[in-house]
Formats: sequence, C-alpha cells, structure tokens
Amino acid sequence: DQQVKQNSPSLSVQEGRISILNCDYTNSMFDYFLWYKKYPAEGPTFLISISSIKDKNEDGRFTVFLNKSAKHLSLHIVPSQPGDSAVYFCAAIGSSNTGKLIFGQGTTLQVKP
Amino acid sequence: EAQVTQNPRYLITVTGKKLTVTCSQNMNHEYMSWYRQDPGLGLRQIYYSMNVEVTDKGDVPEGYKVSRKEKRNFPLILESPSPNQTSLYFCASSLLGAQNTGELFFGEGSRLTVL
Repeated sequence: DQQVKQNSPSLSVQEGRISILNCDYTNSMFDYFLWYKKYPAEGPTFLISISSIKDKNEDGRFTVFLNKSAKHLSLHIVPSQPGDSAVYFCAAIGSSNTGKLIFGQGTTLQVKP
Repeated sequence: EAQVTQNPRYLITVTGKKLTVTCSQNMNHEYMSWYRQDPGLGLRQIYYSMNVEVTDKGDVPEGYKVSRKEKRNFPLILESPSPNQTSLYFCASSLLGAQNTGELFFGEGSRLTVL
C-alpha cells in the first residue's frame, strides 16, 4: 500500500513561471512532510519541510502547502529556474522516535530556458 | 565536512557472488538506513538501524543483510545477489528523537548491476 503518492511522473515548465508539484498521502498520523531534490549521480538532498500542525512553510522561492482535510501537499517554486530541473521526492515521517521516512515515487521537473 | 560516504559507487557483479556496500557517516547520527531507488517506485527502505546493534527490516529486506557494530558504519550485504537486485542504492543517516524532523542525509549512491 503506497502511503505517499506522487501521481505525476514528470512536469515541464518555462523558466520564470511557477512549478507546482503535488503529493497525496493516506496516513493522517504523519508528523512531518518533506520534499527532497535529487540531481543525476547525486544523493537526494533535503529541500523544505512542514509540520502537520502548519498549513504553509516558505523558504525563498520554495513554498510547501499542506491541506490536511484533503491529505494533500504541494511544493511551489516561484520563479522556476533551469537549475531547478531535478527529481523531486515527497516524503512523510510518522514519528520522530522511529526515524522512518516514507517516500513517494518522485516527479521529474524540467525547467526550460 | 558532514557527509555520508558509500563505496563502491559503481559495481557490476554476477549472480551469487557475495558483495558488501559500505556506508559511513561522520555526524554521530543514531539513525541509519538503506534505500533502493527503482524507476516508478521511488525510494524504498531496505533496512534501518536506530543505534549500535539495533537493526530492523524496512519494506523490501529480502536478499539483504546489514550490521551495525559501530555507530558510524552501516554496511549492506548481499549474500547471493540476483538480477532483481540491480538498482541504485542509497545510505542515509539522521538524528532521532525530538531533534528529528525527518531530515535525512544521503550518500551519493551506489549503482549495482547483477548479471
């Protein structure tokens, strides 16, 4: 059972426009939600997170929105830059005492110059 | 520099030939984990460890073993590799407890091909 789902395998946007990456989850007990970014031949790196008690977190060009009633979160990148082209993984953690992170399938973002 | 180091980065082997992928972290993290990345499946957890001598199965543990004899090291062992273990493997580490908000530090990955 896939507890964290990213239904769009890929997304293509023009430089300067907004990129919106979506993620759905099924477990209402998750404590934190995170986004990771992965370039080819590198490991994933942490991008931004949000606590389950918040509905928005912003860090520069990156904003994550959480809609608990819909069990949905999204990552907005504004403005998008070619260097943002990467695979983005949504993830969720259920308890800070176990450390277990559950990942979605990933969305490949391509930002065209 | 804080980092997670895995070796080898690339490996081609044959079915049944035992291999070990090493992982070491220098951040004094309690938690370490192995993931495999496959197309369309994202990152799936193989094994994890919450401290020295404490290991447990993740979502896809079949065909793998791990050990945690020291806090900094968490090797992944494939006793008898098979072609379905051809994948990209990542080791990761993090703090635990109240300090943990899910931020995992990943190694650069080990691409394994089993012929």
